[in-house]
Amino acid sequence: QKEVEQNSGPLSVPEGAIASLNCTYSDRGSQSFFWYRQYSGKSPELIMSIYSNGDKEDGRFTAQLNKASQYVSLLIRDSQPSDSATYLCAVSRGSYIPTFGRGTSLIVHP
Amino acid sequence: EAQVTQNPRYLITVTGKKLTVTCSQNMNHEYMSWYRQDPGLGLRQIYYSMNVEVTDKGDVPEGYKVSRKEKRNFPLILESPSPNQTSLYFCASSPWGGDYEQYFGPGTRLTVT
Repeated sequence: QKEVEQNSGPLSVPEGAIASLNCTYSDRGSQSFFWYRQYSGKSPELIMSIYSNGDKEDGRFTAQLNKASQYVSLLIRDSQPSDSATYLCAVSRGSYIPTFGRGTSLIVHP
Repeated sequence: EAQVTQNPRYLITVTGKKLTVTCSQNMNHEYMSWYRQDPGLGLRQIYYSMNVEVTDKGDVPEGYKVSRKEKRNFPLILESPSPNQTSLYFCASSPWGGDYEQYFGPGTRLTVT
């Protein structure tokens, strides 16, 4: 049973702070890792994808992958109220069926 | 504009009345899939399709059917809906497959009474 675990939150951070979102997965054969953002009542939209160990940066977002420890994280620097959303971690191992975590709710307060 | 569209966006129906939710993408993507999202359970894949006439089960296929007769369209069929299929449904597409980034449609909120 493939599992992807996320803390449901809510994670509350002040505007301008760094938000750190974490995700652990059970399948050691996982190869592809994604972070999606989902605003309330809307569809998920891709923020970051990462395929190899280490950090990947895109603007204010940094994804970190550690396959040995089976976790992937998302850092959001200079958090803005518009970042308030649910963040979904997704993991895939080449089976065409990605597994999604249940999401972490992030609240950025002014 | 590159997009995935779904119709209808909202649907209330009764148990046993067949329904179809349409999904279309204009990005020439090979891979399309259907998900349902339920509180506390997250996103779960129902069916996926790697290409025209090629479909396969996801994690929760029971009670659903799909077809892929054209590359751009991937309808979801509930032949005899039941109340436990009340959910938020998303269609998604990807240029290469489920191991790569997916682009989601706006969602269809289905209520079965």
